[in-house]
Amino acid sequence: NAGVTQTPKFRVLKTGQSMTLLCAQDMNHEYMYWYRQDPGMGLRLIHYSVGEGTTAKGEVPDGYNVSRLKKQNFLLGLESAAPSQTSVYFCASSWAQDDALSPLHFGNGTRLTVT
Amino acid sequence: DQQVKQNSPSLSVQEGRISILNCDYTNSMFDYFLWYKKYPAEGPTFLISISSIKDKNEDGRFTVFLNKSAKHLSLHIVPSQPGDSAVYFCAARSGSRLTFGEGTQLTVNP
Repeated sequence: NAGVTQTPKFRVLKTGQSMTLLCAQDMNHEYMYWYRQDPGMGLRLIHYSVGEGTTAKGEVPDGYNVSRLKKQNFLLGLESAAPSQTSVYFCASSWAQDDALSPLHFGNGTRLTVT
Repeated sequence: DQQVKQNSPSLSVQEGRISILNCDYTNSMFDYFLWYKKYPAEGPTFLISISSIKDKNEDGRFTVFLNKSAKHLSLHIVPSQPGDSAVYFCAARSGSRLTFGEGTQLTVNP
């Protein structure tokens, strides 16, 4: 039982390049999330999904796109990377949107550097 | 506008003593609060939570206190152990939105 798996673990991009971060969960959770963590900023929600085929914007969605074609996978795309997107990205999942019922399960993160 | 603030970036305590991590919030609509713990190179993991209708919740060595009038949340760890060394995030919920604090690095010295 792997929980939430993120690939890759590390990536360095040049400004303007594109990439996709993959998140996979094996807990049959309906809800999936992408967060970014920056020094002094805590975790901020980029996009989330309440089920297969659905996506919604979070707190800081600009410059990112997401897709949830399969229930177990949630992809985060950067079409044209910028240095401001240098961050650690965390994927999370939960079986309910109510944190009282279902706290978030996080992956181990992807450290992205944009030069 | 940082609605959830952890004003201490770091805290160092001796093994066996009490660790107190603090969190302040500004939004009176927050109705549920959580603490997550994060080890290096790992994702955060859920630790303990409290509803706004309570003022205390205990789970083993971990106790969370909520002071609604002061908009203040604290996590007590007694006794502290070296394995508790990690970054601790508080988080607060309003509706479907979860807001995280900046995190506090706790170091427990043997």
